[in-house]
Amino acid sequence: NAGVTQTPKFQVLKTGQSMTLQCAQDMNHEYMSWYRQDPGMGLRLIHYSVGAGITDQGEVPNGYNVSRSTTEDFPLRLLSAAPSQTSVYFCASSYTYNEQFFGPGTRLTVL
Amino acid sequence: AQSVTQPDIHITVSEGASLELRCNYSYGATPYLFWYVQSPGQGLQLLLKYFSGDTLVQGIKGFEAEFKRSQSSFNLRKPSVHWSDAAEYFCAVGAANAGNNRKLIWGLGTSLAVNP
Repeated sequence: NAGVTQTPKFQVLKTGQSMTLQCAQDMNHEYMSWYRQDPGMGLRLIHYSVGAGITDQGEVPNGYNVSRSTTEDFPLRLLSAAPSQTSVYFCASSYTYNEQFFGPGTRLTVL
Repeated sequence: AQSVTQPDIHITVSEGASLELRCNYSYGATPYLFWYVQSPGQGLQLLLKYFSGDTLVQGIKGFEAEFKRSQSSFNLRKPSVHWSDAAEYFCAVGAANAGNNRKLIWGLGTSLAVNP
């Protein structure tokens, strides 16, 4: 099993550009989530999904969209990138007991 | 309000010394408790977890944690720290019997430095 994979590992955007961060898992986990990690602020939940076709907002959803068309994939879309979205983004999935498995992260810089 | 507090933002220990990282939580439901470790530039890896039963749980890399319900704490310990333990450590809590809602509440993390 590859576990949770994320692409790209690094990305630089200009303000106003859009992009999609990819996340995939091969563990047949129902629950998937996106976090952003900023210095001194820990992990903040952006969006999550409890199954294909079901998504919901987390703590900091503004400026981000998600969809879940399959169990395996949970892409995160930045609609119009802003410097405040410079961060490290982690995707995670969970099968049971809230235990979450994390991807390696995407480091995003918005200029 | 639900919250997780890691009182120590940064800790420095000498290699071979013992370690205790503190975690206190405020949670209305029966909690599931987790410790994760993040090495520089890496994702988060589960160290250990508590669901029920024995309140002293063993994890990977020689770590253990003790759940104390009366103190709402889940402190992480290691008897002898190695230089490779230098990392960021996160405590998290989730709701037992939450069904599909597997959101976790996260602490802000404790950064561990190890002196040779």
